[in-house]
Parts: sequence; C-alpha cells; structure tokens
Amino acid sequence: GAVVSQHPSWVICKSGTSVKIECRSLDFQATTMFWYRQFPKQSLMLMATSNEGSKATYEQGVEKDKFLINHASLTLSTLTVTSAHPEDSSFYICSASPLYSSYNEQFFGPGTRLTVL
Amino acid sequence: GENVEQHPSTLSVQEGDSAVIKCTYSDSASNYFPWYKQELGKGPQLIIDIRSNVGEKKDQRIAVTLNKTAKHFSLHITETQPEDSAVYFCAARSQAGTALIFGKGTTLSVSS
Repeated sequence: GAVVSQHPSWVICKSGTSVKIECRSLDFQATTMFWYRQFPKQSLMLMATSNEGSKATYEQGVEKDKFLINHASLTLSTLTVTSAHPEDSSFYICSASPLYSSYNEQFFGPGTRLTVL
Repeated sequence: GENVEQHPSTLSVQEGDSAVIKCTYSDSASNYFPWYKQELGKGPQLIIDIRSNVGEKKDQRIAVTLNKTAKHFSLHITETQPEDSAVYFCAARSQAGTALIFGKGTTLSVSS
C-alpha cells in the first residue's frame, strides 16, 4: 500500500516551453501533497505544499507564477513548470500524506527528471 | 523553524558490519521522525519512522532510537549488505506544520 506515482519519469523540453508533471496517490486518498526539488548529491528542497481544493503554499524563494500547482482531487496533484529555462533542470519529486494519517507520514513518488535545453 | 543536522555525510562499511547514522533536530515540539532510503535516480523510500512517544523501534535489521531530551535520533543498520548502499535521509516534523524537514543525507557504501 501507500504507492505514489509520477508521470512522466523524465522529460526533455526546449527553453520557453511549459511542462506538466502529474503526481498520483494510487491506493489512498491524500489530504496533502508536497512538491520537492532535488539537485545532484543534495537533499530535498521543499517547493510547495498543496491541499485538495485550495491554493498551494509556496516556500520562500519559489515563484508561484513559474511553478503552478493544482490539487484538483484527493489523488492527483500537478506541477507545471512554465516558460522553462535550463536552470529549471532538476529532479522533481512529489509526496503524499494519507487521509488516515495523524502523523502526516509522507510517501514519495519515483521522481521526474526535467532537462531543459 | 526546525533545523535537522545529519552525520556523517558519507559512511563506508564492510558487508556484515553495522552502520549508524545520527541526526539532531532543533524544535522540541517535533513529534515525528522518519528515515528514507534513496537509490540513484529514484524517489525516497520510507524505511522506518518513530514517534515522539517511543524511544526505540526495530524492523528486522533496521532500528531507530530517539532521545527527546538531547533532541537526537539515530538509524542503526545491522548485518549490512551491498544492497543497503544508498543515500539515507533523516527528517523531522514540527508539530506546528505539516512539512518534513530533511537532513542533508548520508551516502552509505557497503563493500563485499
């Protein structure tokens, strides 16, 4: 149980285009989903926290107009990188917290490797 | 806010030896401490967690201990195997929020 999927697993795009990444909780409903960014050999950096049906809360320094987050249902959250540039190239990972969890356990997806040319 | 320090950054052991990774946290209100294993190119996998009302938890070769007074918690892996080689992250969650705060990670290498 507690499986989180991400799609796509990797994507290459041209500078200036937008890319959408999907995060799904497959066997549980998630009150909260989180989006992280990870650079090579570094830790996970929280980008934003999203709750179903409400606006995402972004961490300081993360541009909300550039990283659009939509949490339309209890099993799906999407991250759209708008007007992507090479510096946006990174490993993006989502996680989800089950509805039944009182301690907000987080289960992570497999990640999406974004390369912007 | 919460701050999590993790040591060592790299750890090399021989197969069969034990490995210990230590983390300290700053927020005394934190109540949840998970450990994640991340293999290259994959997302973090939750391997064990402990809550603030428990001092120790064990799952086969993996154990976690928590010292609330000293605000530190440790991951213990016994009888290490080459497949244990990965990056391990500790994390803490402050009672005031829902986001996990991660340590910087420990690269564990188990040689056979």
